[in-house]
Amino acid sequence: QQPVQSPQAVILREGEDAVINCSSSKALYSVHWYRQKHGEAPVFLMILLKGGEQKGHEKISASFNEKKQQSSLYLTASQLSYSGTYFCGAYNQGGKLIFGQGTELSVKP
Amino acid sequence: GAVVSQHPSRVICKSGTSVKIECRSLDFQATTMFWYRQFPKQSLMLMATSNEGSKATYEQGVEKDKFLINHASLTLSTLTVTSAHPEDSSFYICSARKGGLADTQYFGPGTRLTVL
Repeated sequence: QQPVQSPQAVILREGEDAVINCSSSKALYSVHWYRQKHGEAPVFLMILLKGGEQKGHEKISASFNEKKQQSSLYLTASQLSYSGTYFCGAYNQGGKLIFGQGTELSVKP
Repeated sequence: GAVVSQHPSRVICKSGTSVKIECRSLDFQATTMFWYRQFPKQSLMLMATSNEGSKATYEQGVEKDKFLINHASLTLSTLTVTSAHPEDSSFYICSARKGGLADTQYFGPGTRLTVL
């Protein structure tokens, strides 16, 4: 079951904030966030392992609500380098990392 | 860190030829590697799971005779696209699973395959 991400796309000005959501119809035991720039492979950002956990990476942080089977990625004071497609991923029962459809983030000067 | 390399990064071939793509985990041992395919503006679609020393398991709809996977060692997996056709043109990405507390996958840089 593919996680569902929202929004599908977002356009920001430099310095603005954004939130990307990821939800699943199945129980989530961990959530993985990646960023992919055009023509490149996804780069690992962070993993959240248990409910309520919050993590940070530069000015990018994330939370994980195990009960609601949701995770959110927060980008604060966005920079041009944040542009890309963000994917959340979750392991299924077969041990395979299944990705959401992606959220395209564009940061404009 | 966790570094995964992939070679070649770009390949152009004629229809009917075979192409081999290598995926290596450089600084860790990966018992499991994964192969994904990604079409423009789409998400990563898992093709197969490769386990060292055993046969790969393929996702539904992926032809195992067309996409041959070999996981020869704990640091190397190869994907061979046999008798490639233009519709096989895509971005192929491998990943290696690094176990432990933060059990996640690290991706190689990808291989852009163009079949003429």
